[in-house]
Amino acid sequence: EPEVTQTPSHQVTQMGQEVILRCVPISNHLYFYWYRQILGQKVEFLVSFYNNEISEKSEIFDDQFSVERPDGSNFTLKIRSTKLEDSAMYFCASMGLAGQETQYFGPGTRLLVL
Amino acid sequence: QQQVKQSPQSLIVQKGGISIINCAYENTAFDYFPWYQQFPGKGPALLIAIRPDVSEKKEGRFTISFNKSAKQFSLHIMDSQPGDSATYFCAASIGPGSWGKLQFGAGTQVVVTP
Repeated sequence: EPEVTQTPSHQVTQMGQEVILRCVPISNHLYFYWYRQILGQKVEFLVSFYNNEISEKSEIFDDQFSVERPDGSNFTLKIRSTKLEDSAMYFCASMGLAGQETQYFGPGTRLLVL
Repeated sequence: QQQVKQSPQSLIVQKGGISIINCAYENTAFDYFPWYQQFPGKGPALLIAIRPDVSEKKEGRFTISFNKSAKQFSLHIMDSQPGDSATYFCAASIGPGSWGKLQFGAGTQVVVTP
């Protein structure tokens, strides 16, 4: 069964450093998302991406965040200058067509900012 | 603004019992209501979903009940098993044709005792 994959599974970084989280969505999917989950809290929407551009972003997704689909398979989330409060589990999700509605989540990247 | 409210925060049920988790939403534009199951260290996985044109949907031991007038929906897990021990999130989105941003509830940690 096709699945969303994410790398790395864990990332530890120093405050102020840049991190790039990588995702490989399901191959024929068109909509891509990043969510985050701070430990013990709910899953929060960060950004959606369609047709090579951001379609919607939350207030969390400020200028420190960016997304990119550098090739036909990868989808990345970059945090330019990490803060302590960026420590969370980051999930990538993908969806086939708008009418299908089911988002498939990857296993997540646990980011720890020291 | 908390668009999707979920209760209870945690639930302990004996094997064979019924687990009931409730969610309420505020935005009447929501028209897709999925439930996700999450095991520790894993990404959320779609369990079952409903659209507001039906009042109930059943898949195996899992049933969603939907009350459009009350803006509430609930998940019933029948004959609960230890393997059902997980965190359950309700969610809502606006679709089809939208970008599919999921608004999650706070989650319910379910523990099924042997």
